[in-house]
Amino acid sequence: GNSVTQMEGPVTLSEEAFLTINCTYTATGYPSLFWYVQYPGEGLQLLLKATKADDKGSNKGFEATYRKETTSFHLEKGSVQVSDSAVYFCALSGDSSYKLIFGSGTRLLVRP
Amino acid sequence: NAGVTQTPKFQVLKTGQSMTLQCAQDMNHNSMYWYRQDPGMGLRLIYYSASEGTTDKGEVPNGYNVSRLNKREFSLRLESAAPSQTSVYFCASRTGQETQYFGPGTRLLVL
Repeated sequence: GNSVTQMEGPVTLSEEAFLTINCTYTATGYPSLFWYVQYPGEGLQLLLKATKADDKGSNKGFEATYRKETTSFHLEKGSVQVSDSAVYFCALSGDSSYKLIFGSGTRLLVRP
Repeated sequence: NAGVTQTPKFQVLKTGQSMTLQCAQDMNHNSMYWYRQDPGMGLRLIYYSASEGTTDKGEVPNGYNVSRLNKREFSLRLESAAPSQTSVYFCASRTGQETQYFGPGTRLLVL
């Protein structure tokens, strides 16, 4: 079945540093890929998505490219801010398109 | 437009007690979901409802029941709570383009 693997955290960075959070997936067919963000005490919010190979999703300075050849969807941001501190979840649409399969989440802590 | 709402926000139960978690969405979405979130395990799907009148088991359905009351509302019931059900519970609904929108969560402690 479909699955998602994310790098373990926490990831601790200084403000304005470059961010990469790795995500790889196993899937049959052509799933859509997502990044969700969860701020402390809140529910998950969609950060970006990509629906086919070579698509790039982007939002709030974050980017991720759907790489079918490496089965990856790594999240990047050129210059992180303290307000980016949160837990980030990679996800893909499941065997049934009604479901999402989530990775275990990566906690990001940005220090001033 | 409130999105997805959940009640209660916090609950403490004793082992063996029952309770129902409520979820409602005002976005006219067909599909709704219940997840639980535990440290280091991401989100695990408990039950989902692809459309009004249907419900299906997810990854971890044991100890739970659900009701899709109408298109807006999807409730999760714990008939006899156990400490292993201590968790944060999230409800979500889904657009036609696969994006799921989440509620703020219910934090449940079972003693």
